[in-house]
Amino acid sequence: DIQMTQSPSTLSASVGDRVTITCRASQSISRWLAWYQQKPGKAPKLLIYKASTLENGVPSRFSGSESGTEFTLTISPLQPDDFATYYCQHYQSYSPWTFGQGTKVEI
Amino acid sequence: QVQLVESGGGVVQPGRSLRLSCVASGFTFSSYGMHWVRQAPGRGLEWVAVIWYDGNDKYYADSVKGRFSISRDNSRNIMHLQMNSLRVEDTAVYYCVRESGGGDSVVWGQGTLVTVSS
Repeated sequence: DIQMTQSPSTLSASVGDRVTITCRASQSISRWLAWYQQKPGKAPKLLIYKASTLENGVPSRFSGSESGTEFTLTISPLQPDDFATYYCQHYQSYSPWTFGQGTKVEI
Repeated sequence: QVQLVESGGGVVQPGRSLRLSCVASGFTFSSYGMHWVRQAPGRGLEWVAVIWYDGNDKYYADSVKGRFSISRDNSRNIMHLQMNSLRVEDTAVYYCVRESGGGDSVVWGQGTLVTVSS
């Protein structure tokens, strides 16, 4: 089974900062990697899919990149609305999904 | 508009059963794979199960294999999760999720809370 290791688990930052969240896959997953944002009591919201493609309507301060089995979500500059929990996800159609452990971005 | 609405959550005793439903609207339900994803209180997202667009193939997380069963009725645009032998650790919000495909994005329902407690 593919494992997704996400770090850090918590990140303290300020408005205007550049923040980076990393997710490492236990084996090659090509570019089948998505990033979600979740706020308390709400369903996750898709930000990026295929490692670096921005979902429609998502601000351009969010970006994704990949290097081998390491994937990165960057938020720059951080805005007040961005304080939330972020998850990476390995996905493929009709197959089991795997989520990272989550990163809470706090003030 | 595209929508997924879950129902069937509630409080149940350990060892008992519960069936969740997910009603889809606004898209061709029979063309998409569908998933259940859960989230225990204060915890991360955990994938539970997937069913193919035609219902012919299904996969389960090891934590629920043999206890949970996913099904769908494409004529009624509905998916179910039959949960048997429930455990305290199955307590979570259960989300119904449509896969992306054909240029369409993934879609999540609002979730339904299942509480397993004596």
